[in-house]
Amino acid sequence: EAEVAQSPRYKITEKSQAVAFWCDPISGHATLYWYRQILGQGPELLVQFQDESVVDDSQLPKDRFSAERLKGVDSTLKIQPAELGDSAMYLCASSSPGLVGGYTFGSGTRLTVV
Amino acid sequence: RKEVEQDPGPFNVPEGATVAFNCTYSNSASQSFFWYRQDCRKEPKLLMSVYSSGNEDGRFTAQLNRASQYISLLIRDSKLSDSATYLCVVIPTNQAGTALIFGKGTTLSVSS
Repeated sequence: EAEVAQSPRYKITEKSQAVAFWCDPISGHATLYWYRQILGQGPELLVQFQDESVVDDSQLPKDRFSAERLKGVDSTLKIQPAELGDSAMYLCASSSPGLVGGYTFGSGTRLTVV
Repeated sequence: RKEVEQDPGPFNVPEGATVAFNCTYSNSASQSFFWYRQDCRKEPKLLMSVYSSGNEDGRFTAQLNRASQYISLLIRDSKLSDSATYLCVVIPTNQAGTALIFGKGTTLSVSS
């Protein structure tokens, strides 16, 4: 079964440091999403890409977060500088073209900021 | 008001019990509805879609009431393996690729 690959699985970083997460969606999935899930909450959308273009980044804290998907395939989410409140699970998902609801999530990156 | 609201939980039930989760959504134009299951420290996985006519998958039954903007999930004959967080999910449009909107989740703990 095709998977969405994410790395690293776990990351511990000190506040004010930079951190980056990587996601490789299922081949052929044009739409890619980054979600953040704080403990005890549901996932919340940070940014959505269609191919290499940003479709929605209205909830992305742009003063410290950036995301790119340069060739329309894999994607990187960066935080600089990290803050204690950024501790969360960062989930990447991709969806089948032309299909409503066909989403697959990666295993996520659990970030702890100390 | 949050777009998707769920029972806060947690629900602690014995094996064999029937348990029901409720969810309301605020956007009346929402088109698609799902229940996702999330195990501790894992990614969310699709449990089932929800239709106005209701749908059943084994011990799980999902219902949608568009007039009340209300979604439910019923689990019969609970198993220990049903222990997880159940997330109510809404898609606000019928355009392919629209992002999922998640509720906060309801935690279920089934004990022997």
